[in-house]
Amino acid sequence: EPEVTQTPSHQVTQMGQEVILRCVPISNHLYFYWYRQILGQKVEFLVSFYNNEISEKSEIFDDQFSVERPDGSNFTLKIRSTKLEDSAMYFCASSEPNRADTQYFGPGTRLTVL
Amino acid sequence: GESVGLHLPTLSVQEGDNSIINCAYSNSASDYFIWYKQESGKGPQFIIDIRSNMDKRQGQRVTVLLNKTVKHLSLQIAATQPGDSAVYFCAENREGGADGLTFGKGTHLIIQP
Repeated sequence: EPEVTQTPSHQVTQMGQEVILRCVPISNHLYFYWYRQILGQKVEFLVSFYNNEISEKSEIFDDQFSVERPDGSNFTLKIRSTKLEDSAMYFCASSEPNRADTQYFGPGTRLTVL
Repeated sequence: GESVGLHLPTLSVQEGDNSIINCAYSNSASDYFIWYKQESGKGPQFIIDIRSNMDKRQGQRVTVLLNKTVKHLSLQIAATQPGDSAVYFCAENREGGADGLTFGKGTHLIIQP
């Protein structure tokens, strides 16, 4: 069964450093998303992406964040200058053209900012 | 305030019993709802969904009920097994929309042997 994959599984970085989190969505999906989950809290929406542009973003997704689909398979989330409060699980999700409302999630990347 | 929430942070049931996990939502514009299961250290896993033109939908050992009048949905798990232990989230969306999902806080289901 096809699934969303994410790398790395765990990323440790120093405050102020840039990180790039990578995702490979399900191959026939056209809608892509990033979410984050701070430890013990609910999953929060960050951004959605379709047709090579951002279609929706939350207030969490400020100028420190950016997304890109550099090729036909990868979808990345970049945090330019990490802060301690960026420590969280980051989940990528994707959905197919005819069922855009049903999102399938990857296993997540645990980001730890020291 | 949040649009979607769950009533209980933790629910403990005996193995083999049925469990019911509840969720209340406040956004009347939402017309598509999903239940996700999240095991420790993993991403949310799709369980079952329901659209606003239905009030009940059944899957394998799971049933979702939607009461639009009181903006409430529930997930029923029949004959719980140890593998059902996880945190369960409800989430809402617009039907057909590619918007960001709004998640509730989650209920941690604990299956007692």
